[in-house]
Amino acid sequence: AQKVTQAQTEISVVEKEDVTLDCVYETRDTTYYLFWYKQPPSGELVFLIRRNSFDEQNEISGRYSWNFQKSTSSFNFTITASQVVDSAVYFCALSEGAQKLVFGQGTRLTINP
Amino acid sequence: EAGVAQSPRYKIIEKRQSVAFWCNPISGHATLYWYQQILGQGPKLLIQFQNNGVVDDSQLPKDRFSAERLKGVDSTLKIQPAKLEDSAVYLCASSYALGYTDTQYFGPGTRLTVL
Repeated sequence: AQKVTQAQTEISVVEKEDVTLDCVYETRDTTYYLFWYKQPPSGELVFLIRRNSFDEQNEISGRYSWNFQKSTSSFNFTITASQVVDSAVYFCALSEGAQKLVFGQGTRLTINP
Repeated sequence: EAGVAQSPRYKIIEKRQSVAFWCNPISGHATLYWYQQILGQGPKLLIQFQNNGVVDDSQLPKDRFSAERLKGVDSTLKIQPAKLEDSAVYLCASSYALGYTDTQYFGPGTRLTVL
């Protein structure tokens, strides 16, 4: 069965610090997809990235970067030089084949000025 | 390009009353999803439509929840009668293609409070 664990319930840092959000997943399939979504206070889930199981290359998009390691079943998300606008709840999610998208519990990130 | 639209944004009802939520997906998206997000948890899929057919409703409490997607575009989710534990945010999402591997785009959600 699929499972996503985000062990960090809440993180609080000061603006401009770097912060890493952890995501560990469980799956029996060799083909699967991993996602990160951001949920700001407005409530809408905003898509950030999608990665398939065959692509282990790390990705960088501006201040955001993602580290995918199949050996440890992890898909971690790093924000460099954090800003107040990064404050939100971040969800990691997994889907395999035709199975439903399974979300982790989320990590609430607070960036203090 | 317009995103996923939902209404109402907020709803407060008393237990045993009925309520309905509406969703309009991104234009051209064949697949539509309804999720329930209880406070402090990640979203949980309730039902998935492909055009106007149901693909997965295994986690929909069918004794009180119902959903339809007429003409393969807009969708309505109904709860009748509501219970206290139905208090949650109901999120609608859509994706272009069939299958959970396609990226899902979410609407702003409807926050339901059952008193």
